Amino acid sequence: DSGVTQTPKHLITATGQRVTLRCSPRSGDLSVYWYQQSLDQGLQFLIQYYNGEERAKGNILERFSAQQFPDLHSELNLSSLELGDSALYFCASSVSTIAPGNTIYFGEGSWLTVV
Amino acid sequence: TQLLEQSPQFLSIQEGENLTVYCNSSSVFSSLQWYRQEPGEGPVLLVTVVTGGEVKKLKRLTFQFGDARKDSSLHITAAQPGDTGLYLCAGGDEEYGNKLVFGAGTILRVKS
Repeated sequence: DSGVTQTPKHLITATGQRVTLRCSPRSGDLSVYWYQQSLDQGLQFLIQYYNGEERAKGNILERFSAQQFPDLHSELNLSSLELGDSALYFCASSVSTIAPGNTIYFGEGSWLTVV
Repeated sequence: TQLLEQSPQFLSIQEGENLTVYCNSSSVFSSLQWYRQEPGEGPVLLVTVVTGGEVKKLKRLTFQFGDARKDSSLHITAAQPGDTGLYLCAGGDEEYGNKLVFGAGTILRVKS
């Protein structure tokens, strides 16, 4: 158990719909990261928040958005869903930024299936 | 765009054999991390290397970061069935280390 909690674990939804994935980081961790893992693209960095503020952005689509709340939990909002958005979405957390000795912990992921 | 090429994609070996997984790029990375992922779980960090030429050992696993910080290798000695899993390398962005670029992964199966 990494200490990072993600909900829901599985989600099936139709194209065009909107879903919200939720993440609670490890106690004490200020940084939250979102990653997408699919068979064809592998594991891809989407976005990072640090203590409520966006810190880094990766290959995140405009239809996707995220935020980190004052209690440090984070949500990833996916809208106008397409079949290609079906993937495993991971949340990860770390104390601060990624640095030697600063481990990043991944949650178990949220499986999203768009039908 | 930074890319990490990982090889081989699949590896099926007998218990007790040695193996090496490679991670190569034309880009320089601030750090290189290796993860292991099992089905239904998130990746778990094995090691982080940051200095060119650095070698780290974790029991039967040896990790090396290339001198130019563009490539890395993971060597497992006397593989065991418990080593079975997906191994991922990830490079820290040179400009912004928080952004990890992942390789496609190596699926390792160790047969007893």
